[in-house]
Amino acid sequence: NAGVMQNPRHLVRRRGQEARLRCSPMKGHSHVYWYRQLPEEGLKFMVYLQKENIIDESGMPKERFSAEFPKEGPSILRIQQVVRGDSAAYFCASSPPEIETQYFGPGTRLLVL
Amino acid sequence: GQNIDQPTEMTATEGAIVQINCTYQTSGFNGLFWYQQHAGEAPTFLSYNVLDGLEEKGRFSSFLSRSKGYSYLLLKELQMKDSASYLCAVRDAGNNRKLIWGLGTSLAVNP
Repeated sequence: NAGVMQNPRHLVRRRGQEARLRCSPMKGHSHVYWYRQLPEEGLKFMVYLQKENIIDESGMPKERFSAEFPKEGPSILRIQQVVRGDSAAYFCASSPPEIETQYFGPGTRLLVL
Repeated sequence: GQNIDQPTEMTATEGAIVQINCTYQTSGFNGLFWYQQHAGEAPTFLSYNVLDGLEEKGRFSSFLSRSKGYSYLLLKELQMKDSASYLCAVRDAGNNRKLIWGLGTSLAVNP
């Protein structure tokens, strides 16, 4: 059973461009979570989704950020008009319906020039 | 408010035992998790406690006291590869699976 997959692993964007981060949960997992982590800092919760539904987006910035988890395909975290402050590691985690434990993907390192 | 407290840094010697504490104040409680994160890598799951007491898993054990809002992670027979950040996270009550995370404890294991 493959683990949580994230791509790309590294992404470089110039200010004002769009960044699309993809997350494929583990097989059978219907819950997806996105986190942001700055160097030497803790994990910051962004959003929690189930298939086709956003359950909790209390950690998402009000502008430029959006997330989706469609019925088919990976979950997408989209950042529009990126700024230097968006540079961070973005981790995705998934869990199955019956247990709480979240399993993390390898992360996407976003660098905004 | 919601708050998770852990020491920022700890140092220990190879072969020794170390205890990493975590205290929490949350509006509800539905389980506590410990994760390990090596520098530049993703967090990996270590343990989950929802009832009071000690859960042992090899060299790692985790303890929970719900009445005190307190947990610890115990690492025995420390190895150099145990040098990492250890993250404590609490699940709030209700159906929302969102976790509240501490800032992590950076553990350095010295020879």
